[in-house]
Amino acid sequence: SAVISQKPSRDICQRGTSLTIQCQVDSQVTMMFWYRQQPGQSLTLIATANQGSEATYESGFVIDKFPISRPNLTFSTLTVSNMSPEDSSIYLCSAELPNYGYTFGSGTRLTVV
Amino acid sequence: GNSVTQMEGPVTLSEEAFLTINCTYTATGYPSLFWYVQYPGEGLQLLLKATKADDKGSNKGFEATYRKETTSFHLEKGSVQVSDSAVYFCALRVQGAQKLVFGQGTRLTINP
Repeated sequence: SAVISQKPSRDICQRGTSLTIQCQVDSQVTMMFWYRQQPGQSLTLIATANQGSEATYESGFVIDKFPISRPNLTFSTLTVSNMSPEDSSIYLCSAELPNYGYTFGSGTRLTVV
Repeated sequence: GNSVTQMEGPVTLSEEAFLTINCTYTATGYPSLFWYVQYPGEGLQLLLKATKADDKGSNKGFEATYRKETTSFHLEKGSVQVSDSAVYFCALRVQGAQKLVFGQGTRLTINP
């Protein structure tokens, strides 16, 4: 079955530091998506990452805080920069995969202390 | 704008009870509609989907029918099990767009 792998699965970080989350898709996709799920909340789209161009950010999210890389058609990273406790969330990547539809990684559970 | 509204949770039922989780939407054009499930400690899994009016999505005993006249996509299951305990998200994708718009999620707990 098609897989989207994320790592790390969880981390506890000190405020002021940065964490980079990796997302690997087992087939080539044009777009990859990064979502945030704050505790007890729904999913909010952070940005859409296209290979070969800058990511497109949703209202309320900026590149300086959430820089994204998309070096090829199967891989993307999201960095959460200068973290504060308010950044404690689950971060999920996703992509639309042939024959599987819109699929999500298992998420990265981030706690900032 | 495009939005999804779900039944307020949490919902607690006994095993073998009938389940309905309401979902209504606002969208331009003809969106595709989805139900996702998130089991404790896991990511989201697609449960079922429907891409046009009157389509019925079904999976694992769950069903939802795309009702354009009422802009709804209610999730139903005739007899729930303890293993159905999870958070359920209704979502839409507007025609021609790539991203999903999610409802707020409904936490379901099934007691034995």
